[in-house]
Amino acid sequence: RKEVEQDPGPFNVPEGATVAFNCTYSNSASQSFFWYRQDCRKEPKLLMSVYSSGNEDGRFTAQLNRASQYISLLIRDSKLSDSATYLCVVNMRNYGQNFVFGPGTRLSVLP
Amino acid sequence: NAGVTQTPKFQVLKTGQSMTLQCAQDMNHNSMYWYRQDPGMGLRLIYYSASEGTTDKGEVPNGYNVSRLNKREFSLRLESAAPSQTSVYFCASDHSANTGELFFGEGSRLTVL
Repeated sequence: RKEVEQDPGPFNVPEGATVAFNCTYSNSASQSFFWYRQDCRKEPKLLMSVYSSGNEDGRFTAQLNRASQYISLLIRDSKLSDSATYLCVVNMRNYGQNFVFGPGTRLSVLP
Repeated sequence: NAGVTQTPKFQVLKTGQSMTLQCAQDMNHNSMYWYRQDPGMGLRLIYYSASEGTTDKGEVPNGYNVSRLNKREFSLRLESAAPSQTSVYFCASDHSANTGELFFGEGSRLTVL
């Protein structure tokens, strides 16, 4: 079983739609969690951290369920510019070398 | 601001050839990393350097060597390239405090024929 799993998609949604991505991780010792965004043929960039109580940044909401080892990302009112691959990232011991990246979920927002 | 700069951006090699990917960061970060990204797989760590003068193996180090030349620069060398090393390579760096934010270079697309 892969350490971090994501539905690869692609998710094709119309502008204005709400879309949710899921991610599961296998190691219960994981300590910190993140969503990164990667545009086509570009480098990954941090989108947001995921906190135990859930957190929101504008149209983006991240949730963590430690008991189920599950992370989610909700995007409301999708924009064309949201089209990208979203990477779920889990960190084992709060050191950069322990980042584990999921394979990513591709989102296409259609006009 | 330059951030993390990688060179070259594209390279085609023949099996058995050698090459070095260069990486430099101007953010005064202590830690630097080399990842490879293959279709359908997450980024996988090849080598990392927690501080100047130290390097350690990551998940997939075979076939690679690294040098942490100084605080700014971290290079990745393929001594004898193989087709299995065809991939996109990313260099990254982060603060020692580990906010969770890795800063990536633009990537180097390597094809080994």
